[in-house]
Amino acid sequence: GAGVSQTPSNKVTEKGKYVELRCDPISGHTALYWYRQSLGQGPEFLIYFQGTGAADDSGLPNDRFFAVRPEGSVSTLKIQRTERGDSAMYLCASSVQRGLYNEQFFGPGTRLTVL
Amino acid sequence: GIQVEQSPPDLILQEGANSTLRCNFSDSVNNLQWFHQNPWGQLINLFYIPSGTKQNGRLSATTVATERYSLLYISSSQTTDSGVYFCAVDNAGGTSYGKLTFGQGTILTVHP
Repeated sequence: GAGVSQTPSNKVTEKGKYVELRCDPISGHTALYWYRQSLGQGPEFLIYFQGTGAADDSGLPNDRFFAVRPEGSVSTLKIQRTERGDSAMYLCASSVQRGLYNEQFFGPGTRLTVL
Repeated sequence: GIQVEQSPPDLILQEGANSTLRCNFSDSVNNLQWFHQNPWGQLINLFYIPSGTKQNGRLSATTVATERYSLLYISSSQTTDSGVYFCAVDNAGGTSYGKLTFGQGTILTVHP
């Protein structure tokens, strides 16, 4: 597709369950980012991939959160033992990096609700 | 880390009015982007503007990097302009990538 896509668009789960959120970046974009947005706040950085490797995972809140990008394209954000505080909009972005140019384009997000 | 402050937090306009949104940041930046978040949560790219001035239709933006601020101008506002406007910056210190740090946003409501 032309833009970043994310699935599912909505996910409702119960406390303690495991969830996977998927991001499909713009074709040819080598950089991929995950952000989390709580109600009334701006998005906050979680993790950044350059190719297949996580170049910066400093924003992951704890070890229940993990992300992979095995072939350098699609990425999956995995959350174990979900808690109610994990409820948020999860946004994915991708970019093509040319020199200092690094404009990020965002997907429509996955709204996660933990009951 | 870098701090990003947006003002005003809320703005209510009558259709046809003009407005200016401001973004202040606490350190030098490599990248500055303005976004419009629609009611469904999608972030729409408005401008990529680490410095200088750009215009796109009724919208324009100016970033004065040396004074650490950016302005977004909306002229002849329409009801479809309603939503949340975010400024986001990165200051990765000369590297070619940067995680974006977002401001808290300006909530714009345009009444018909």
